[in-house]
Amino acid sequence: EAQVTQNPRYLITVTGKKLTVTCSQNMNHEYMSWYRQDPGLGLRQIYYSMNVEVTDKGDVPEGYKVSRKEKRNFPLILESPSPNQTSLYFCASSFSTSVQYFGPGTRLTVT
Amino acid sequence: AQSVTQLGSHVSVSEGALVLLRCNYSSSVPPYLFWYVQYPNQGLQLLLKYTTGATLVKGINGFEAEFKKSETSFHLTKPSAHMSDAAEYFCAVSAYNNAGNMLTFGGGTRLMVKP
Repeated sequence: EAQVTQNPRYLITVTGKKLTVTCSQNMNHEYMSWYRQDPGLGLRQIYYSMNVEVTDKGDVPEGYKVSRKEKRNFPLILESPSPNQTSLYFCASSFSTSVQYFGPGTRLTVT
Repeated sequence: AQSVTQLGSHVSVSEGALVLLRCNYSSSVPPYLFWYVQYPNQGLQLLLKYTTGATLVKGINGFEAEFKKSETSFHLTKPSAHMSDAAEYFCAVSAYNNAGNMLTFGGGTRLMVKP
């Protein structure tokens, strides 16, 4: 089954404790991206990757890191999480046609 | 630069009534336009998209949207609402350029359907 998976689905952590949210797709998509969803703001892009070893900042990259060592994986790293990064995070992937397939989401709470 | 405005963060309709969710966009290049739906506790699912060609686009679950360039709009409609349509709907615009598939989302509209 074609899908985008994210882990964990729910995470509660404390300020400053490094964490990684994994994202994997099995559709051989070149393009992958991370979004955060906040009430009234819709989804805002954090980082995106056009292919292996090619990443770039989206609209709200501060406080986040990503890597793309393999085509199928695109982890999101928060080196020192802060409460303002409490949000719902979505990973997405696509070929070059702009139709993105979204993962189920990761709800992160930073206390 | 591109942006999307969805008028009305909450819309309430009665079952069987017309659904109209409004979306206006701005884009410096001819846009690709999308509507996504998010059911409670789920990810986003593509409803329909406009790329080129026919300006009236039909999607899943009886939804359709019309691209009106002169009005920079891409409103989503459904003739008769069902209870199962209750969800949050996002309009998005993409300008395919060297930066890749940059999707800009609107703030979302939560649709409530009353029995």
